[in-house]
Amino acid sequence: EAQVTQNPRYLITVTGKKLTVTCSQNMNHEYMSWYRQDPGLGLRQIYYSMNVEVTDKGDVPEGYKVSRKEKRNFPLILESPSPNQTSLYFCASSFRTAVGNEQFFGPGTRLTVL
Amino acid sequence: GNSVTQMEGPVTLSEEAFLTINCTYTATGYPSLFWYVQYPGEGLQLLLKATKADDKGSNKGFEATYRKETTSFHLEKGSVQVSDSAVYFCALSESAGTASKLTFGTGTRLQVTL
Repeated sequence: EAQVTQNPRYLITVTGKKLTVTCSQNMNHEYMSWYRQDPGLGLRQIYYSMNVEVTDKGDVPEGYKVSRKEKRNFPLILESPSPNQTSLYFCASSFRTAVGNEQFFGPGTRLTVL
Repeated sequence: GNSVTQMEGPVTLSEEAFLTINCTYTATGYPSLFWYVQYPGEGLQLLLKATKADDKGSNKGFEATYRKETTSFHLEKGSVQVSDSAVYFCALSESAGTASKLTFGTGTRLQVTL
């Protein structure tokens, strides 16, 4: 089944404790992206990657890191989480040249930073 | 920059009622337009899309027409069902042919009752 998977689905942590949220897709997509969803703000892009070893900042990159060592994986790293990073996070992927740019989303990771 | 404005929710309708969720956008060039749906506890799924002016996207009884003159992409359904209860996001992408960031509206929660 074609899908984007994220782990963990739920995470409660404390300020300053490094964490990684994994994202993996099995559709051979070149493009992958992270969004965060906050009430009243919709989804905002954090980072994206056009291909292996190619990453760039989105609209809200502060406090986050990413890496793209393999085509299928795009982990999101919070080196020192803070309470303002409490949010619902979505990973998405698509082909690099996609008519209409349809993106496929993972199920989401709900993160709480205390 | 690009932006998407959609009507505030929640929208509460009785089953078989007519649904309209308004969406307007601001963008340079010729964006592609999307409606995504988020069912409770799940990630976003593409509902429909339109890549050029006057195109009509349709799926599962939902329709939306790309109106360049009014910069709008309103979502409609003639007869809603309880199973349509979800959050609906209008979004745009700057490029029709290359993967790029999706700019989302804030989302509209639809609740359909018997």
